[in-house]
Amino acid sequence: QSALTQPPSASGSPGHSVTFSCTGTSSDVGAFDRVSWFQQHPGKAPKLMIYEVNKRPSGIPDRFSGSKSGNTASLTVSALQAEDEAYYYCSSYAGGNSWVFGGGTKLTVL
Amino acid sequence: QVQLMQSGAEVKKPGSSVRVSCQASGDTISDYSINWVRQAPGQGLEWMGAFISLLGTTKVAQKFQDRITLWAEKSTDTAFMELNSLTSDDTATYFCAWGNWFDPWGPGTLVTVSS
Repeated sequence: QSALTQPPSASGSPGHSVTFSCTGTSSDVGAFDRVSWFQQHPGKAPKLMIYEVNKRPSGIPDRFSGSKSGNTASLTVSALQAEDEAYYYCSSYAGGNSWVFGGGTKLTVL
Repeated sequence: QVQLMQSGAEVKKPGSSVRVSCQASGDTISDYSINWVRQAPGQGLEWMGAFISLLGTTKVAQKFQDRITLWAEKSTDTAFMELNSLTSDDTATYFCAWGNWFDPWGPGTLVTVSS
């Protein structure tokens, strides 16, 4: 499978909102409501932020929200905080017990 | 809450193999899948495959199909990933991740392939 497409970078000011996109195909993002988003700080393991398009695991603040339209999923981070500065990766189920990741977006909090 | 511990960093020669382990604590591996994801230096995440404990089967990304083996020892709640025919392109941090939602992740194992 080909990787999902994410913009390489995004930025926002503290207190503001930013939205990342994640574009796949009708075989992955468009076919299944099984899109996840991960946050990764440098040198650390990724952390699940959103699963099944818009569900938050326990402990993830509601400033993080997800959505999907067609073959494109989105992650919105509201009320930006300095600690939100990190890489964000999307992933999608691609059928047949396989998964695909996006290339990642680096979020800079200005 | 399950926690994952991975084996230590490895330095390997081109053409050799590497085995990375991932031990779970706080839950049993029997009912879950263990995914393997790698990250080359400065690069994004790449899904390699999964050991699906409930079915005792594996699913592997086409890119790795001919040189990766995934399995688990249920008695020790430990999953293993072995990658063969290593090249410098395999230099990366290898992560295991728990279940269908990749939550949580192990800390990662750095594998360096160098002559």
